[in-house]
Amino acid sequence: AQKVTQAQTEISVVEKEDVTLDCVYETRDTTYYLFWYKQPPSGELVFLIRRNSFDEQNEISGRYSWNFQKSTSSFNFTITASQVVDSAVYFCALSEVAQGAQKLVFGQGTRLTINP
Amino acid sequence: AAGVIQSPRHLIKEKRETATLKCYPIPRHDTVYWYQQGPGQDPQFLISFYEKMQSDKGSIPDRFSAQQFSDYHSELNMSSLELGDSALYFCASSLEGGSSYEQYFGPGTRLTVT
Repeated sequence: AQKVTQAQTEISVVEKEDVTLDCVYETRDTTYYLFWYKQPPSGELVFLIRRNSFDEQNEISGRYSWNFQKSTSSFNFTITASQVVDSAVYFCALSEVAQGAQKLVFGQGTRLTINP
Repeated sequence: AAGVIQSPRHLIKEKRETATLKCYPIPRHDTVYWYQQGPGQDPQFLISFYEKMQSDKGSIPDRFSAQQFSDYHSELNMSSLELGDSALYFCASSLEGGSSYEQYFGPGTRLTVT
């Protein structure tokens, strides 16, 4: 069965520090998608990135970067030079490829607090 | 660009009452997903519809039912509400049965059962 584990329940850092959020997943499928979502205090789920299982290239988007390592089943997320506005709960999620719709399985989330 | 619309945004009900949540997907999206997020928890998949047919089912209580209509909007009906049903309910939509592998989430409906 699919499973996503975010071992870090809460992280607190001082502004401008770099921070990495860990995500480890389990799946029997060879084809799957991984996602990161941000949930600010207002509650909406904000899409950050999608990565398919065949693309192990790391990606950088501004202060955000993602490290996908299939060998260790990990998809870690790093925020460089963190800002107070980055404070939120971050969810890693997995979707297996199948006919029709694909549900997302979420990790437990990591609550990130950036202190000024 | 148009996004997923959910209504109402907030709903307060008493125990044993009934609630109906509505979801309007992005235009031309054919798949709708429902998720439930309890306080301090991760979103849990409830049910999905592709082309108006149920495509997958998660841990949805028997007291809940859902459907997707001809205009692709979806409704989640919840009966005999319990305190534990208090949660944020998200609807998401995708195109082509999810083959784009990208689900667009609505803002959520916060249901409070008292």
